[in-house]
Amino acid sequence: AQSVTQPDIHITVSEGASLELRCNYSYGATPYLFWYVQSPGQGLQLLLKYFSGDTLVQGIKGFEAEFKRSQSSFNLRKPSVHWSDAAEYFCAVEDYKLSFGAGTTVTVRA
Amino acid sequence: DVKVTQSSRYLVKRTGEKVFLECVQDMDHENMFWYRQDPGLGLRLIYFSYDVKMKEKGDIPEGYSVSREKKERFSLILESASTNQTSMYLCASRTGPANTEAFFGQGTRLTVV
Repeated sequence: AQSVTQPDIHITVSEGASLELRCNYSYGATPYLFWYVQSPGQGLQLLLKYFSGDTLVQGIKGFEAEFKRSQSSFNLRKPSVHWSDAAEYFCAVEDYKLSFGAGTTVTVRA
Repeated sequence: DVKVTQSSRYLVKRTGEKVFLECVQDMDHENMFWYRQDPGLGLRLIYFSYDVKMKEKGDIPEGYSVSREKKERFSLILESASTNQTSMYLCASRTGPANTEAFFGQGTRLTVV
């Protein structure tokens, strides 16, 4: 069965600093992978997705993620965070069903 | 814009009541999902449906059932509400292929007292 692990429950980062959120999955074949963001009081929004091809994918709001098969990882990055990036971020994996990780809360300090 | 509408933002029900949570999407999506979101646990899949009258159990189906009589509507039913079902419930929909974006409703915060 598939599963998704987000090792970091909470990350605090300074505005303008870089951000990396970790995601590990367990799944036999190459899965479909997603990152979603949930801003305070908002619904979930897709940031980016990977299902084949180039292992570095670009998303909205300046985010990117890299798929590494050897490490079963799909980490999300942003070179310079803005205060509006404070939110909860969810990694998700799909085989027959769409399953989410526990989420990472990002706090941005001025 | 895709719209996924959940009938209530906030709901308070008593233990033992039968509770219906409704979700409607307006984009003719085949797939629909119900999740519950709890702090520290993320989103956990309760049930999903890949077509009308089809349903599949997710990871935590116990105490829940679903109904999908029309393509645009996916209902979650708590047969006999219990306090441990107090949670945020999220509905999502998407077109058929698994690599497409899922669109989420705003959520229903259910409190069972």
